[in-house]
Amino acid sequence: SQQGEEDPQALSIQEGENATMNCSYKTSINNLQWYRQNSGRGLVHLILIRSNEREKHSGRLRVTLDTSKKSSSLLITASRAADTASYFCATDGSRTGANNLFFGTGTRLTVIP
Amino acid sequence: GAGVSQSPRYKVAKRGQDVALRCDPISGHVSLFWYQQALGQGPEFLTYFQNEAQLDKSGLPSDRFFAERPEGSVSTLKIQRTQQEDSAVYLCASSPPGGISYEQYFGPGTRLTVT
Repeated sequence: SQQGEEDPQALSIQEGENATMNCSYKTSINNLQWYRQNSGRGLVHLILIRSNEREKHSGRLRVTLDTSKKSSSLLITASRAADTASYFCATDGSRTGANNLFFGTGTRLTVIP
Repeated sequence: GAGVSQSPRYKVAKRGQDVALRCDPISGHVSLFWYQQALGQGPEFLTYFQNEAQLDKSGLPSDRFFAERPEGSVSTLKIQRTQQEDSAVYLCASSPPGGISYEQYFGPGTRLTVT
């Protein structure tokens, strides 16, 4: 079973607008990561935020983490058509000591030119 | 340098056939992971290697699934007597030394279709 849930499942916006995706998870974590997946391709790492961090920026990406609510958000500013993809949050198995990642169900983002 | 590569990219198997999926991780990456991704879902963990040692195989769905990494580099995921529910994309990922705080680098995946 998957640890995380993304919300919304699908999001469609106009180019230039901001896109916000949310992720909730169930157990304690060491870090949370966001990945992007273009159709038919593998996942590409976007950003990692540690459990003791609350906000992190990378280019047009802004990630927040609220460990008390077990939630994270990914904001993409000034979206481009090339941002069209599925976005997944992933957490590590801190509680179990597992090394693998637990992925959410993903948000499918469509940016309309 | 080169990223994670997987072969074949697409595989069609008849139900009951055995298949072997190959993963070439990034050179120097000691950790290697296999995930299964069903259509419209996120990847789900199958198994994990550190060098040649298979440290976690808790995600393998049945004893028809077997993975190996005999020399600590290339890995093969084998599925015996394939069933239709095995149809999915199989993703391989590797990560450098340093433990669970490191990002994972994913290959393009092998799309398996069992007819």
